[in-house]
Amino acid sequence: DAGVIQSPRHEVTEMGQEVTLRCKPISGHDYLFWYRQTMMRGLELLIYFNNNVPIDDSGMPEDRFSAKMPNASFSTLKIQPSEPRDSAVYFCASSITRNQPQHFGDGTRLSIL
Amino acid sequence: AQSVTQLDSHVSVSEGTPVLLRCNYSSSYSPSLFWYVQHPNKGLQLLLKYTSAATLVKGINGFEAEFKKSETSFHLTKPSAHMSDAAEYFCVVSDLLYNQGGKLIFGQGTELSVKP
Repeated sequence: DAGVIQSPRHEVTEMGQEVTLRCKPISGHDYLFWYRQTMMRGLELLIYFNNNVPIDDSGMPEDRFSAKMPNASFSTLKIQPSEPRDSAVYFCASSITRNQPQHFGDGTRLSIL
Repeated sequence: AQSVTQLDSHVSVSEGTPVLLRCNYSSSYSPSLFWYVQHPNKGLQLLLKYTSAATLVKGINGFEAEFKKSETSFHLTKPSAHMSDAAEYFCVVSDLLYNQGGKLIFGQGTELSVKP
């Protein structure tokens, strides 16, 4: 049974470039979450979707960040333009319902130079 | 407002000795509480959850946690540490509104080291 799949696992790019992170949730899970993890701020919820619809994006840092979920099996988190302070590990998680445990992917380690 | 405090940023134990990771929470509602574990370069994995059933919750890999409302605590324990337990542990709280879209609030994490 495949878990949450994220790609790429590592991304190194220069400041100002567009970055796209990808996530494939577990099949049958109706909720998808994007988190960011840093040493300073810990784990932060950026946005979550229910049935492909964004429900709460209050954690998205600024307009440079955007997330989409075009179908039940795919979501993207995009940063444009990227800045060094965006360097972090980004996690995607999914759950069957809102009150069931979330299953996390292995994350994307993003470094902006 | 809901919050969670993990009282130790780092805990070190010897293999075979007990583990205690401390967590205090604050919640305006009847909370749901979780412990997650994160191994290096991996995502978070659910260890156990409390959702107002039995106050002593058993999880995977021999871990358990006890919900104490009077102390607003949800400490994680294991009788005997194994080298493979070395990881980061997160205490997580949600509130009554979780079923209706409430959010998970993560603690800052406790790094567990296990010495041979």
